[in-house]
Amino acid sequence: KAGVTQTPRYLIKTRGQQVTLSCSPISGHRSVSWYQQTPGQGLQFLFEYFSETQRNKGNFPGRFSGRQFSNSRSEMNVSTLELGDSALYLCASSGDSFGEQFFGPGTRLTVL
Amino acid sequence: TQLLEQSPQFLSIQEGENLTVYCNSSSVFSSLQWYRQEPGEGPVLLVTVVTGGEVKKLKRLTFQFGDARKDSSLHITAAQPGDTGLYLCAGGLLNNDMRFGAGTRLTVKP
Repeated sequence: KAGVTQTPRYLIKTRGQQVTLSCSPISGHRSVSWYQQTPGQGLQFLFEYFSETQRNKGNFPGRFSGRQFSNSRSEMNVSTLELGDSALYLCASSGDSFGEQFFGPGTRLTVL
Repeated sequence: TQLLEQSPQFLSIQEGENLTVYCNSSSVFSSLQWYRQEPGEGPVLLVTVVTGGEVKKLKRLTFQFGDARKDSSLHITAAQPGDTGLYLCAGGLLNNDMRFGAGTRLTVKP
């Protein structure tokens, strides 16, 4: 069974730009969660989608948004990038809402 | 402040030593998971515990869930360099929210 895939793996953007990250969950998994990981803050929950609906949301500004498609693939978008958005963005899929999570390798975003 | 407090934050030991890392909270969790993360990769699930007082063993790793389902520990026997990594605990709250601790960074020297 293929694991969670994330694209792209690395991304460099400048302040003010916007970015879209993609995540393909494990086949059959309907829940996809997004996390931001930084050395200072650790792993911070962004949001979770289940069957195309946002089920849970973390404490991030509205510049961070996401969506899920009917095939369970998910995208997250960050608009008006700030230097502090530089982080590893991780996607995790689960067979049920917030069950055991299986992570992708992450997208390393650098904002200059 | 983190909902889940992990200790110690950093641990550096010699190959063959034993160690225990802790994950504590004042909140009750419906389940608790342990992950290991290596540089440049996503966390990998090691174990899930769901019953208070539960003990699970995975080769040289022993996981325990507190009786009150508020805390957990991970004990590694005879640590090896391959155990090096960031160990994360994650708790499932009763409203299906999932929270992660800040992690324990373990280094095992040969």
